[in-house]
Amino acid sequence: AQSVTQLGSHVSVSEGALVLLRCNYSSSVPPYLFWYVQYPNQGLQLLLKYTSAATLVKGINGFEAEFKKSETSFHLTKPSAHMSDAAEYFCAVSRRFYGGSQGNLIFGKGTKLSVKP
Amino acid sequence: DAMVIQNPRYQVTQFGKPVTLSCSQTLNHNVMYWYQQKSSQAPKLLFHYYDKDFNNEADTPDNFQSRRPNTSFCFLDIRSPGLGDAAMYLCATSSGNPGQMNTEAFFGQGTRLTVV
Repeated sequence: AQSVTQLGSHVSVSEGALVLLRCNYSSSVPPYLFWYVQYPNQGLQLLLKYTSAATLVKGINGFEAEFKKSETSFHLTKPSAHMSDAAEYFCAVSRRFYGGSQGNLIFGKGTKLSVKP
Repeated sequence: DAMVIQNPRYQVTQFGKPVTLSCSQTLNHNVMYWYQQKSSQAPKLLFHYYDKDFNNEADTPDNFQSRRPNTSFCFLDIRSPGLGDAAMYLCATSSGNPGQMNTEAFFGQGTRLTVV
């Protein structure tokens, strides 16, 4: 069964500093991996997704993630944090439904990012 | 803009009083999902529709039901809300082609349910 583990429930960085949010996956089949962002009292918005086309995936708002099979990781990074990046970030893996008809997202527990001025 | 819309954004209901949350979409996606997200937790899938086929997660309580009268609308019914059902409920859609796992889900803004 597929799963993801996010290391660190809370990460705090200074404005302008590197953002690194960690995600490790477990999957018996080639995974499809996603990063979503959630602002307070809002739904989830897709940042980026890995679908095996390229190991380095660029997303919206300057975020990117690198798929490393040897490390079973899909960490999210941004070179320079902005105050507006403060939110909760969820890593997710696509699960194949029984019968194999359609993937579905299994989420990690989330990492709350704080950005200090 | 095509989107997923949830109404209402905030819902207060009484303990034990049935409540319905609604979701509509203009994306014409054939898969619709309902997730429950409790405070500081990951979203948890309750069930989904693949076209008209209803698929319940094994651990979803019987208290939770869903209806999908057409492609655009999906409802979440909570028959007898308990205090433990207070949460954010998220509706999501995706385009469902058999065997295609690389399509992302599009989420609505959520409905925050309070049970008093």
